[in-house]
Amino acid sequence: EAQVTQNPRYLITVTGKKLTVTCSQNMNHEYMSWYRQDPGLGLRQIYYSMNVEVTDKGDVPEGYKVSRKEKRNFPLILESPSPNQTSLYFCASSSMGTGVGLETQYFGPGTRLLVL
Amino acid sequence: QQPVQSPQAVILREGEDAVINCSSSKALYSVHWYRQKHGEAPVFLMILLKGGEQKGHEKISASFNEKKQQSSLYLTASQLSYSGTYFCGTDLYGQNFVFGPGTRLSVLP
Repeated sequence: EAQVTQNPRYLITVTGKKLTVTCSQNMNHEYMSWYRQDPGLGLRQIYYSMNVEVTDKGDVPEGYKVSRKEKRNFPLILESPSPNQTSLYFCASSSMGTGVGLETQYFGPGTRLLVL
Repeated sequence: QQPVQSPQAVILREGEDAVINCSSSKALYSVHWYRQKHGEAPVFLMILLKGGEQKGHEKISASFNEKKQQSSLYLTASQLSYSGTYFCGTDLYGQNFVFGPGTRLSVLP
């Protein structure tokens, strides 16, 4: 089954304790992305990757790191989490269409993070 | 430069129609539409490409005015299952995909 998986689904942590949220897709997609969703603000892109070893900042990258060492995996790293990073996080993947644009984005189930 | 969506919220009765609008200040390659139900991940509805091509949902239609950088999503004969939050997203050639703030649609029996 084609899918994007994220782990963990729920996480409670304390300020400053490093954490990693994993994301994996089995569709051989070139493009992967991380979003955070907060009430009233919609989905905001944190980082994206157009292929292995190619990553770039989205609209809200501060406080986050990513890496793309393999095509299928795109972990999100919070080196020193703070309470303002409490949010719902989604990973997504997509193929790149003929030409240069994105095709359908497939989303993971989400990770709900609470930073105390 | 988040796209602007209107209305912010709409309430319908089953069988009624709705239009959701999305506009951007930037030149776009494509506009995407997604629907998200409460507590779930967004689900793809449609892509509208520069040049007129559309890909997506059979029962939902949309338009894309390239000159005005505007898109509209048309929901006809709404069903209870249409309830959720609708997001448009703008694609600048794969870079920095940006979602709008969302339009909350409620369909009542």
